[in-house]
Amino acid sequence: ETGVTQTPRHLVMGMTNKKSLKCEQHLGHNAMYWYKQSAKKPLELMFVYSLEERVENNSVPSRFSPECPNSSHLFLHLHTLQPEDSALYLCASSQEAREGGTQYFGPGTRLTVL
Amino acid sequence: GENVEQHPSTLSVQEGDSAVIKCTYSDSASNYFPWYKQELGKRPQLIIDIRSNVGEKKDQRIAVTLNKTAKHFSLHITETQPEDSAVYFCAASRAGGFKTIFGAGTRLFVKA
Repeated sequence: ETGVTQTPRHLVMGMTNKKSLKCEQHLGHNAMYWYKQSAKKPLELMFVYSLEERVENNSVPSRFSPECPNSSHLFLHLHTLQPEDSALYLCASSQEAREGGTQYFGPGTRLTVL
Repeated sequence: GENVEQHPSTLSVQEGDSAVIKCTYSDSASNYFPWYKQELGKRPQLIIDIRSNVGEKKDQRIAVTLNKTAKHFSLHITETQPEDSAVYFCAASRAGGFKTIFGAGTRLFVKA
């Protein structure tokens, strides 16, 4: 599959569970991003990785833990989440984080925390 | 902190009419302004962008204008069609920074 893919597409978890979201980009980009999209709110940037190094952490609670093992893969590890964390989590990639260029988004993971 | 304000939050137009969405930004160092379209249940996708050295850019039925002095930019869609119905997001970023700041989105309805 081309572009940016995300798995799973839907996830329901309890507050005590541990789960991980996965993102993969097939575009040869150097930067990857995690966003949270809640209803009637702007896209909230969570993390930015450039060349596998985290360069932005937007005051995200520690119950969200990102991991970027290489420039093509990005994970978001989740543990002890709260119901207000329910949202659409979008991954994106771009050629170079510093250039202010186009970001290509994945389809998102719809997360529901019970 | 940096922010981008977007108006209106909802816009309803008749097919064939024009639609205009406006955004203002706070970071005067911003130099790249993309617009994304997100259809229901789908991912945001870039539809047009503009850099700060240009005042206007057009691509078929869509155009974007930028006023750097006033720190605002606008999306114009002419001859709207039902398939233009979606949520549109403006955004601003700057070279040397890693953040793209998004507006809250405008839900556009095009009535046939």
